[in-house]
Amino acid sequence: DAGVIQSPRHEVTEMGQEVTLRCKPISGHDYLFWYRQTMMRGLELLIYFNNNVPIDDSGMPEDRFSAKMPNASFSTLKIQPSEPRDSAVYFCASSFSHGYTFGSGTRLTVV
Amino acid sequence: GQQLNQSPQSMFIQEGEDVSMNCTSSSIFNTWLWYKQDPGEGPVLLIALYKAGELTSNGRLTAQFGITRKDSFLNISASIPSDVGIYFCAGQGSGCSNYKLTFGKGTLLTVNP
Repeated sequence: DAGVIQSPRHEVTEMGQEVTLRCKPISGHDYLFWYRQTMMRGLELLIYFNNNVPIDDSGMPEDRFSAKMPNASFSTLKIQPSEPRDSAVYFCASSFSHGYTFGSGTRLTVV
Repeated sequence: GQQLNQSPQSMFIQEGEDVSMNCTSSSIFNTWLWYKQDPGEGPVLLIALYKAGELTSNGRLTAQFGITRKDSFLNISASIPSDVGIYFCAGQGSGCSNYKLTFGKGTLLTVNP
C-alpha cells in the first residue's frame, strides 16, 4: 500500500495566484480529511468527506478555499486567490475507522 | 469547539531517560490517539485507546485513557535519539462528529545522545 499520496510536496506561488493541492487516499478508506498545520495554530481541520460527500467544512477559513472529491481516489484543495497568510503545511488524511493515515503534506509558501 | 491542552510544549532529555507527556480536555472523547511527526512528514499513529482506563503498550511506549475520558498520557521509556520529533495527542468524539479528530498543539521532544 502506497499510503496517502499528496502532490506537490512543495509549492511556492505569488500572492493572488490560484493554488491547487492534490490528494490520493488509501484505497478502501471512506473518509478523507484536509488539515492545515502552522506553528501558531497547530493542526486545524479544514474539511472532511465521507464517501466523496463533504460532511463538515466549518474549518475552511474563507470563501477563497474550496475542496472537491470527484471520486473515491482523488481530492483537491484549491485556494483562489492565495495570500501570504495561507502559507502553511497542508495535510490530507484518510480513514476507514478509528485513527487516520496522513500523507506527507504540501508545504505552501505564498510570497 | 473542543480544545486539547497538551503538556509540556517541549522537552530536552538525555538518551536513556524516561519521558512523560499528557493531554487534558474540557470535553469527553470516545477515543484517544497518540501520533508522532518527524520533520517533513505527516503524523504517524503510535497508539490508539478505545476504553476509559485502558492502558496500552507499543514497545517502549505506554499510553493510558483516563477514567474521566477527558485526559490521556504517553510514556516513553529508555529514550533513544530516533525518538526525536513532535508528539501529538488527538481525541475522537461521538455522534455526528465521530470521525473528527481534535489535536493537541504537540510536544517537541529532543533527545541528547
